[in-house]
Amino acid sequence: GAVVSQHPSRVICKSGTSVKIECRSLDFQATTMFWYRQFPKQSLMLMATSNEGSKATYEQGVEKDKFLINHASLTLSTLTVTSAHPEDSSFYICSASDRLGVFGGYTFGSGTRLTVV
Amino acid sequence: RKEVEQDPGPFNVPEGATVAFNCTYSNSASQSFFWYRQDCRKEPKLLMSVYSSGNEDGRFTAQLNRASQYISLLIRDSKLSDSATYLCVVILGGGGSNYKLTFGKGTLLTVNP
Repeated sequence: GAVVSQHPSRVICKSGTSVKIECRSLDFQATTMFWYRQFPKQSLMLMATSNEGSKATYEQGVEKDKFLINHASLTLSTLTVTSAHPEDSSFYICSASDRLGVFGGYTFGSGTRLTVV
Repeated sequence: RKEVEQDPGPFNVPEGATVAFNCTYSNSASQSFFWYRQDCRKEPKLLMSVYSSGNEDGRFTAQLNRASQYISLLIRDSKLSDSATYLCVVILGGGGSNYKLTFGKGTLLTVNP
C-alpha cells in the first residue's frame, strides 16, 4: 500500500531556532499533501494544504510566515517551523492521497513530535 | 456547535464486550465519513469508511444517518488490541484534489483483561 515517510520522528530544539520536517511519498505521487498539528488530548487540526508546484493554502489562524511549506516535487513536501517557541511544541503529521478524486485514500506519515525548550 | 463532535469517553470495557461510539457533524453538506484509529503517540490509521447503507468489517460495523447527521461505530467482541483512540472524520467539502478532513477529538477506548 501507499507509504508516507516522515522525518524526523522526534526533535528537541531551542527556542528561536528553526526545524524542518520532511514528508516523502515512497511509492506514489502525492499531488496534494496536508499538514496537521495535534496538541495533547486534542483533535488533529489541519494547518495547511500544499499542492506540488504552487503555494500552500493555510487555514485560518496559521501563520504562513512561521510555518513554511514547500512542495517542490510530487514526492516531497516539507514543513519548516521558523523561530520556534515552546507553544509550537506539538505533534505534526502529514498526509497525502494517492488517488485523486477518491475519498478516504489518505496515508499519514508517522508524525514528528516537536519539543521546543 | 463544533464541526465534528464525538462521545467524550473514555470507555473502559472488559474483553468480549460490545462498545459503540457516536459522532455528530454540523454541516449537512458533508460528503464523506470515516473512522480512524490512533494509537498513543502514533499517526491515525484508517479503520473504515462509513456509508449510508451501513458497512461491516469483521467485528466492526459503521452506520451513517444523514438525516440526523450522525455516525456510529460498533465494536463487537472487544479485544485488548482494540485499545486506542477512535477518531470520527468528516470531509466537509472541497473540489478537485483538495479534500479537507475534519477530525473529532477522538474517544479513548481501553479494553481490560
